[in-house]
Amino acid sequence: SQQGEEDPQALSIQEGENATMNCSYKTSINNLQWYRQNSGRGLVHLILIRSNEREKHSGRLRVTLDTSKKSSSLLITASRAADTASYFCATDGGYSTLTFGKGTMLLVSP
Amino acid sequence: EAGVVQSPRYKIIEKKQPVAFWCNPISGHNTLYWYLQNLGQGPELLIRYENEEAVDDSQLPKDRFSAERLKGVDSTLKIQPAELGDSAVYLCASSLGGAQGGGTEAFFGQGTRLTVV
Repeated sequence: SQQGEEDPQALSIQEGENATMNCSYKTSINNLQWYRQNSGRGLVHLILIRSNEREKHSGRLRVTLDTSKKSSSLLITASRAADTASYFCATDGGYSTLTFGKGTMLLVSP
Repeated sequence: EAGVVQSPRYKIIEKKQPVAFWCNPISGHNTLYWYLQNLGQGPELLIRYENEEAVDDSQLPKDRFSAERLKGVDSTLKIQPAELGDSAVYLCASSLGGAQGGGTEAFFGQGTRLTVV
């Protein structure tokens, strides 16, 4: 079963533009994580935000979390062609089991 | 430091045959996961280990799938007999874990792509 639901399913932008992906989930969480997957490097962890945090930054990534709405967003600023990948949110309900969503496919064109 | 190592990378078998996948997690990581990923979908948990104990195997189809993590280090996932619908990528991941306090980031292997014909 998959708890998270990413939106949109696919996103196509030009280099230099910002990309925003959203994740909604159903049950309470301890933390929420974002991962990236491309054919070259497999699934890679990007950022973790805990339930008591509202916003977190890492380089060009900005993640927000709204536990009242059970939603999170991932913003990638100044996108590059190398950001082309699928992005997944994963929720941790407090017992270390990570439940992934179906992902957003991001295409960044030069 | 080596990451999560999985083998084989690719496997093609005929239906009804057995198949096994192997995973060596990052040293010191107590938590080990096996996920299944179908094309265009997110990873779906099959089983999670804390050390040698399977603490979440509710999604593992136990009639044909089995897993073990002897000595709490490397792990093996087996399918017997394989069916056409088992064709997918099988991912192994490990993390430091956090018991009831919530986990930490998971590190994934490159996966095993299984094709059942």
